[in-house]
Amino acid sequence: DAGITQSPRHKVTETGTPVTLRCHQTENHRYMYWYRQDPGHGLRLIHYSYGVKDTDKGEVSDGYSVSRSKTEDFLLTLESATSSQTSVYFCAINPAGSNEQYFGPGTRLTVT
Amino acid sequence: GENVEQHPSTLSVQEGDSAVIKCTYSDSASNYFPWYKQELGKGPQLIIDIRSNVGEKKDQRIAVTLNKTAKHFSLHITETQPEDSAVYFCAATPPNSGGYQKVTFGTGTKLQVIP
Repeated sequence: DAGITQSPRHKVTETGTPVTLRCHQTENHRYMYWYRQDPGHGLRLIHYSYGVKDTDKGEVSDGYSVSRSKTEDFLLTLESATSSQTSVYFCAINPAGSNEQYFGPGTRLTVT
Repeated sequence: GENVEQHPSTLSVQEGDSAVIKCTYSDSASNYFPWYKQELGKGPQLIIDIRSNVGEKKDQRIAVTLNKTAKHFSLHITETQPEDSAVYFCAATPPNSGGYQKVTFGTGTKLQVIP
């Protein structure tokens, strides 16, 4: 499982509230990613990180921010959740110089 | 940018039969093509991959083929078993120059193996 955990695993929140999802890895990988998964869209990249305090946007970054203060933790924040952000969120890592990506177990977020 | 199309979106087969899932990609620079299996309530798991310098790769009951000229790649599962039931994703990836790994995923195929 590449030593990746995500918390919480499930969350229901109301429109307009802030939400933070956490990804934790135990293997010191430099590159970490946040994806969202929606029916008919596969997996789409929200943000990624290439080191502590080094992050960049993916293809669907609007409405999301990220932070990485420690190598092992990558946080995804929805500043003001909207119903369109109801989705399953996956964290992933890939070993430096490698093509392979390995995914965490996911967080199912419902915004009511 | 890269575009990956995956077909079919759903596939039902009898146990013991073969299953084939097909993908096409648009960017000729892509050179790495992983396949992921996602079971209900879990994250995608890398099950097999192929690089552009190889035409076919096998791992027990699973095989992948790649046609670079046509920009097609396929996943073949033989002697299907109920535990093969899952959603399968293909993906295409450009060369990793040491930076972050950009991956474009297909939209997934839900495979149901009927006992």
